[in-house]
Amino acid sequence: QQPVQSPQAVILREGEDAVINCSSSKALYSVHWYRQKHGEAPVFLMILLKGGEQKGHEKISASFNEKKQQSSLYLTASQLSYSGTYFCGTVESGGSNYKLTFGKGTLLTVNP
Amino acid sequence: ETGVTQTPRHLVMGMTNKKSLKCEQHLGHNAMYWYKQSAKKPLELMFVYSLEERVENNSVPSRFSPECPNSSHLFLHLHTLQPEDSALYLCASSQAVPGQGVNTEAFFGQGTRLTVV
Repeated sequence: QQPVQSPQAVILREGEDAVINCSSSKALYSVHWYRQKHGEAPVFLMILLKGGEQKGHEKISASFNEKKQQSSLYLTASQLSYSGTYFCGTVESGGSNYKLTFGKGTLLTVNP
Repeated sequence: ETGVTQTPRHLVMGMTNKKSLKCEQHLGHNAMYWYKQSAKKPLELMFVYSLEERVENNSVPSRFSPECPNSSHLFLHLHTLQPEDSALYLCASSQAVPGQGVNTEAFFGQGTRLTVV
């Protein structure tokens, strides 16, 4: 089951904050976040396992609410280098151990 | 450079051709993946190999045939493709498979841009 990401696109000015959401109708074991810049390969950001933990990576952090099957990615004080498409990938609880299903992505543009 | 190398970077093939995509990783990872990325759909998982054994085939048509001869190499053999198969094909590897939680960070190659004419 493909997770749903929102918003589909967001435009920021440098220094502004953004939140990208990822939700599933299925119980989740883990949520994985990746960023892909135009013409480049996706790059791993972080993994959140069920337990409601929050993780951080530079000024990017994320939370995972397993009860709601939702994860949010927080980008604070955005930099030009944050521009790209952000994908969440989910592993379902009780599902295939091998299947990471990605959402459609959120295009983030940071302008000067 | 992510440690995962894909060749060729670009490929144009006719619908009756047979071609192969190659992926190589020297990260010592145990799992390798093929993904398809097109404008209309997100990253779609195609195949998963764990310890050189195919463990996931995500309802992929038989005109796509994967091969994993050893832990460092992964191929995708293509034959009688359709124009709708035109897409970016991405290879990835990880130490552990996604359901194992830790060490599941996937490293992606730059992809092969495939055009079927």
